[in-house]
Amino acid sequence: QVQLQESGPGLVKPSDTLSLTCAVSGYSTSSTNWWGWIRRPPGKGLEWIGYIHYSGNIYRNPSLKSRVTMSVDTSKNQFSLKLSSVTAVDTAVYYCVRTGDGGSNFDHWGQGTLVTVSS
Amino acid sequence: QSVLTQPPSASGAPGQRVTISCSGGSSNIGSNTVNWYQQLPGTAPKLLIYHNNQRPSGVPDRFSGSKSGTSASLAITGLQSEDEADYYCAAWDDSLNVLFGGGTKLTVL
Repeated sequence: QVQLQESGPGLVKPSDTLSLTCAVSGYSTSSTNWWGWIRRPPGKGLEWIGYIHYSGNIYRNPSLKSRVTMSVDTSKNQFSLKLSSVTAVDTAVYYCVRTGDGGSNFDHWGQGTLVTVSS
Repeated sequence: QSVLTQPPSASGAPGQRVTISCSGGSSNIGSNTVNWYQQLPGTAPKLLIYHNNQRPSGVPDRFSGSKSGTSASLAITGLQSEDEADYYCAAWDDSLNVLFGGGTKLTVL
């Protein structure tokens, strides 16, 4: 079955870049699906960050667009997120996701990883 | 502030029926499908309803979704204690954005 697993530092300093990777098993990242990121800040709801297709096409949340970089490495069957110039408001549990058919249909989720922004 | 509006809380006794509403606009719910997610405490969200009213394999038929105009609803019948969770609606917006509702915390009394 499809499994997604996030990895990356749990603590990032303010103004630095947050970097996360999502390893995919049981399915190919070079499929027709899109691969993305969603976060949930403490005490708040879910926020979509963006998603990427292996062809290189990307959609990003307009409010985060200038700080978000995403990539797919089909040879390693994984995809990555970089969020630059982080502040405390970027502290959240970050989930990597697969879209079933694009849009807002996220049919597989990683377990999530907590990233805290603090000096 | 979320563009999709959900009540922050809902509750019901075991066995009862509960509905959760999700209100949006013409550029999101009005022109795109709605999906619903269930997030149990300490776990990742799970797709509960897709394409307005479809259940993924394994989701009990106690859960159902509907959409009318710029609003959608999630209904849970035969409420069980394990249904206590946060529920989110989501929809694509024509501004090239995915919107989530603010979430509804369901309490089983």
